[in-house]
Amino acid sequence: DQQVKQNSPSLSVQEGRISILNCDYTNSMFDYFLWYKKYPAEGPTFLISISSIKDKNEDGRFTVFLNKSAKHLSLHIVPSQPGDSAVYFCAANPSGLTGGFKTIFGAGTRLFVKA
Amino acid sequence: NAGVMQNPRHLVRRRGQEARLRCSPMKGHSHVYWYRQLPEEGLKFMVYLQKENIIDESGMPKERFSAEFPKEGPSILRIQQVVRGDSAAYFCASSRSGTEYEQYFGPGTRLTVT
Repeated sequence: DQQVKQNSPSLSVQEGRISILNCDYTNSMFDYFLWYKKYPAEGPTFLISISSIKDKNEDGRFTVFLNKSAKHLSLHIVPSQPGDSAVYFCAANPSGLTGGFKTIFGAGTRLFVKA
Repeated sequence: NAGVMQNPRHLVRRRGQEARLRCSPMKGHSHVYWYRQLPEEGLKFMVYLQKENIIDESGMPKERFSAEFPKEGPSILRIQQVVRGDSAAYFCASSRSGTEYEQYFGPGTRLTVT
């Protein structure tokens, strides 16, 4: 029962270009979404989040877009840098249902940024 | 300001042995969460604890797994009579009260069952 889906296991992008990571979810009750970045042998690090009352949130090179009608969100990284190479997890948090503690993760997309 | 600490980082156990994983939350954080990541999968919620209380353990297997967060000391995830299918990375996260969605993760413990 995958409530958060990241259908691309990997993505390869040239340095300086845009990286677009996609995520779909199935539960319309999700109201808070997060992206985490994970390097090998480390824990996930919070990157950016968006509330369901917004459709866009921007933080430096990172922008998250939310399309509630399509139950789809995406993470844009512009420009991409080699240090961005990592696994990116999309996550949803049904705070309205559970108080916000049970974060539900997608399977992750491995991003390779080539120099 | 140290982050979330987990130890050991790597743990090897034979089938039937017990595994104990420890997690010290960030300073000022009173909520602890345990997640498990199987190969090629995302993190799966296991249990949510506050000091001396288990708030939600809906993601914990019904048998062999237990968790505690005592008044003093780290949170412990205990797996009894380990089996090969328990091999995974176990991540602990912590948060402040009132911001349960802002979870900070530790580096994880990689458990290998031989």
